[in-house]
Amino acid sequence: NAGVTQTPKFQVLKTGQSMTLQCAQDMNHNSMYWYRQDPGMGLRLIYYSASEGTTDKGEVPNGYNVSRLNKREFSLRLESAAPSQTSVYFCASSATTGSGEKLFFGSGTQLSVL
Amino acid sequence: DAKTTQPPSMDCAEGRAANLPCNHSTISGNEYVYWYRQIHSQGPQYIIHGLKNNETNEMASLIITEDRKSSTLILPHATLRDTAVYYCIVGSSNDYKLSFGAGTTVTVRA
Repeated sequence: NAGVTQTPKFQVLKTGQSMTLQCAQDMNHNSMYWYRQDPGMGLRLIYYSASEGTTDKGEVPNGYNVSRLNKREFSLRLESAAPSQTSVYFCASSATTGSGEKLFFGSGTQLSVL
Repeated sequence: DAKTTQPPSMDCAEGRAANLPCNHSTISGNEYVYWYRQIHSQGPQYIIHGLKNNETNEMASLIITEDRKSSTLILPHATLRDTAVYYCIVGSSNDYKLSFGAGTTVTVRA
């Protein structure tokens, strides 16, 4: 099991460029998430998908779009990148067990917008 | 408003127990207490969670006070590899918006 796989690991963009961050999980989890982490800070939720076919905004959704392509894959798109979107992006997945959500995280994508 | 309060940093001696406190005075009856850690710049790693009772697994123990307003994560024999940022989080079973605050930076010293 690979767990949660994110691609790419590093990316440099120019202001105004677009790109899509990919995330896939092989644990058959229903829920998937995108977080961002700025230097020295905690994680902030961008979007989440509680189940296949649904997506909802998190704390900081502006400037991002998401697609839950199927149960395994959840992508994050930056349509017009801005320097304020320079951050480390983490994808996560979880299975609702009725006794709490355990999140499993990918290794992150470090994005720099110049 | 943050649901939890943690000290920003703490040191621990290698081989000794590390006791990490967390206050969550506004926790609701159906909310769990979760602990995660983040080593360097890796993705956060789940450690343990509990609702009312104390919990133990191969990584740590979680002690929740009877009034559930605070908890302590115990790393029984800290090693250098336990140096990380530890996050205490509260949320209900179907709460998809778990909030990771600044956490506690734990440094284990030889």
